[in-house]
Amino acid sequence: AQSVTQLDSQVPVFEEAPVELRCNYSSSVSVYLFWYVQYPNQGLQLLLKYLSGSTLVKGINGFEAEFNKSQTSFHLRKPSVHISDTAEYFCAVMGNQAGTALIFGKGTTLSVSS
Amino acid sequence: GAGVSQSPSNKVTEKGKDVELRCDPISGHTALYWYRQSLGQGLEFLIYFQGNSAPDKSGLPSDRFSAERTGGSVSTLTIQRTQQEDSAVYLCASSSGRKGGYTFGSGTRLTVV
Repeated sequence: AQSVTQLDSQVPVFEEAPVELRCNYSSSVSVYLFWYVQYPNQGLQLLLKYLSGSTLVKGINGFEAEFNKSQTSFHLRKPSVHISDTAEYFCAVMGNQAGTALIFGKGTTLSVSS
Repeated sequence: GAGVSQSPSNKVTEKGKDVELRCDPISGHTALYWYRQSLGQGLEFLIYFQGNSAPDKSGLPSDRFSAERTGGSVSTLTIQRTQQEDSAVYLCASSSGRKGGYTFGSGTRLTVV
């Protein structure tokens, strides 16, 4: 079975500052990793994913994440945030064998202010 | 269709009543998932359908919850004898393969009064 821990429930930052949203996972098998974003009053949207290969993955809206197998982490970063990045961000993990569903963390609320 | 469609978008029901929530996945997507989103709890996995295989019901919180998927397409999540703790947003997602990620619907907001 897999599990995900998002280490911060809320992250307040000022506009144009860098941000890192932390995610750790637990699994006995190899995994696929995902970040989803949910803007206020909207559905979930895929931000980026790690399946294999390069450990640094780039997603939409200037976000990137780095897979660190030894630390079982998949932290999300953006060098300079905008007000429009205010949203809830979910980290998710899936075992790479057939028949398993995505398991989500509890989410991190990113609040960007001017 | 162009996206995952869920109905109704909002549902208010009295405690003890049964409710049915509907999900129309993207045409051709073989996998369908139901999740529950409660404030501060993230997304809780409920049930997973893959093609003609038996569904993975391991996330259903009690025997009051059930789901079916007819003809490999539309799915209905049924909650019997609703309780106030069932109040949440119920999200449906579909996918064509495991590596592509899921496409989510906008959800059904269920309020039990």
